[in-house]
Amino acid sequence: EPEVTQTPSHQVTQMGQEVILRCVPISNHLYFYWYRQILGQKVEFLVSFYNNEISEKSEIFDDQFSVERPDGSNFTLKIRSTKLEDSAMYFCASRIGTARTGELFFGEGSRLTVL
Amino acid sequence: AQSVTQLDSHVSVSEGTPVLLRCNYSSSYSPSLFWYVQHPNKGLQLLLKYTSAATLVKGINGFEAEFKKSETSFHLTKPSAHMSDAAEYFCVVSPSSGGSYIPTFGRGTSLIVHP
Repeated sequence: EPEVTQTPSHQVTQMGQEVILRCVPISNHLYFYWYRQILGQKVEFLVSFYNNEISEKSEIFDDQFSVERPDGSNFTLKIRSTKLEDSAMYFCASRIGTARTGELFFGEGSRLTVL
Repeated sequence: AQSVTQLDSHVSVSEGTPVLLRCNYSSSYSPSLFWYVQHPNKGLQLLLKYTSAATLVKGINGFEAEFKKSETSFHLTKPSAHMSDAAEYFCVVSPSSGGSYIPTFGRGTSLIVHP
């Protein structure tokens, strides 16, 4: 069964360092998403990506965040200068197409710990 | 605009007894609705989805949910809880029309199953 894969599963970094979280969406999916879940809090939308550009983003997704799809298979989230409050589980998801009824398929998450 | 309210942060049941996890939604348009489950240290797995077809939706692991438009609810039920059902459950609403394609998560309900 096709699945979304994420790496690394856990990353520890120092405040101010750059972090790149990687995702391989399901191959025939067209929409890609990043969500995050701070420990004990709700799952929050960060950004969606379609046709090689950001389609929507939340107010959380400020200038320190960026996404790209560098090679047609990977989908990355970069945090330029990490802050303590960026510590969270980051989930990548993909959806097959434009149908709003389609479910999101999630990866297992990348846990980011900023010290 | 859309929102999801999961009425209980924690639900505790005994093994073999029924499960009810409550979800109410608000959406400007007829939504698609989903329930996801998150087991400890795991990703988000789709349990079931409602997409304007049958109002009673059956999912995996014996779970089902009923869409009630008049009550704006999409409660998740299971006749008999199993120890393996202990997890975090998220109700998600996705707009079926309008400007945004973004699925929105509820805060989650932690299901505790006692032997």
